[in-house]
Amino acid sequence: EDQVTQSPEALRLQEGESSSLNCSYTVSGLRGLFWYRQDPGKGPEFLFTLYSAGEEKEKERLKATLTKKESFLHITAPKPEDSATYLCAVQGNTGFQKLVFGTGTRLLVSP
Amino acid sequence: DVKVTQSSRYLVKRTGEKVFLECVQDMDHENMFWYRQDPGLGLRLIYFSYDVKMKEKGDIPEGYSVSREKKERFSLILESASTNQTSMYLCASSFWGGGLTDTQYFGPGTRLTVL
Repeated sequence: EDQVTQSPEALRLQEGESSSLNCSYTVSGLRGLFWYRQDPGKGPEFLFTLYSAGEEKEKERLKATLTKKESFLHITAPKPEDSATYLCAVQGNTGFQKLVFGTGTRLLVSP
Repeated sequence: DVKVTQSSRYLVKRTGEKVFLECVQDMDHENMFWYRQDPGLGLRLIYFSYDVKMKEKGDIPEGYSVSREKKERFSLILESASTNQTSMYLCASSFWGGGLTDTQYFGPGTRLTVL
């Protein structure tokens, strides 16, 4: 059974204090690993898709990396507007485009 | 930009009522999905559809049904709402992608409370 575990559950940073969020996964035949950002009371907003180990993608202060067992979302010099819950999901080769989500990391960036 | 809209942001219903949640996407996506999101449980797939009039059960279909009469519209139906169906409901859509991977884009969500 495909599984995703995100850590930490919650993270508090000062503005400018860089850190990383972890997404560990087990999946039979990874088709894709997805990162989403979710603000309170809203739907998830797509950030990145990673397809194979060694792949990296960047967007502003965010950089996602992928190994065969985990993915990291690196946040460089975060700002208060980066405060949100970050969700990781995997898509394996069982089940039509089925995404398995982790429970997310709640990030709070203080000014 | 992909746009997925949901009919209501907040909904309050009584136990036993029939509830309709509607989702519309404007990107001509073949696939549409309904999830529910609960604290500590993450997002769980209820139903999905890969074509008009086609539907497949997800992980937690009990107590729900769906309807897809037009490509852009996917409805979730709670036949007889119960308090354990109080949740955030999220709709998503994606391209067919040959049945393989493609990014799912989410709507804003409907927070349903069943009293």
